[in-house]
Amino acid sequence: DAKTTQPPSMDCAEGRAANLPCNHSTISGNEYVYWYRQIHSQGPQYIIHGLKNNETNEMASLIITEDRKSSTLILPHATLRDTAVYYCIVRDSGGSNYKLTFGKGTLLTVNP
Amino acid sequence: GAVVSQHPSWVICKSGTSVKIECRSLDFQATTMFWYRQFPKQSLMLMATSNEGSKATYEQGVEKDKFLINHASLTLSTLTVTSAHPEDSSFYICSAREDGGGKETQYFGPGTRLLVL
Repeated sequence: DAKTTQPPSMDCAEGRAANLPCNHSTISGNEYVYWYRQIHSQGPQYIIHGLKNNETNEMASLIITEDRKSSTLILPHATLRDTAVYYCIVRDSGGSNYKLTFGKGTLLTVNP
Repeated sequence: GAVVSQHPSWVICKSGTSVKIECRSLDFQATTMFWYRQFPKQSLMLMATSNEGSKATYEQGVEKDKFLINHASLTLSTLTVTSAHPEDSSFYICSAREDGGGKETQYFGPGTRLLVL
């Protein structure tokens, strides 16, 4: 399964957009990019996922480069409650038995 | 929608006892559920994949006789930590993958914190 590289930490001002990068240069054509976040002492929360096209939902936008070797998660208006560890995961393409392998993620701290 | 619950949320037990943790998908069916473990300041580590009606698949290094998994229905999986020891103290998190064509998302429970004295 493809591995991902994320910066260990980032800071963002409240109300500003948070742009979280992820490199996945070994991704294969049928592997999805997933983003989850984990607020302290809670289970991970699903944010968004995509294959090739950019995706947007009520939480965030996912921008995937044309070569699919990297992506960016965008939180358009970060709030203090968005402080969390954000995980970029390339889904193990194991057919119907795929699994998610978590890396170390990016600790996003939203400052007032 | 897509809510996963876990019970209990935290448990303290004596060394040598067994502890059962339940994971339920509340508003969807899940043929496949997953169990993770997370130690302080570390990422989630997949322990096993649980499939309804069949034996679980364990990741390398995870003792199947110590961590018993039962997935008896499409909405319930249980993890039993047998003969727990202090080194088993951790944050245990389950996730469930929603059944249905084209649904590829896993949803996670809130986690169970286990402390073995």
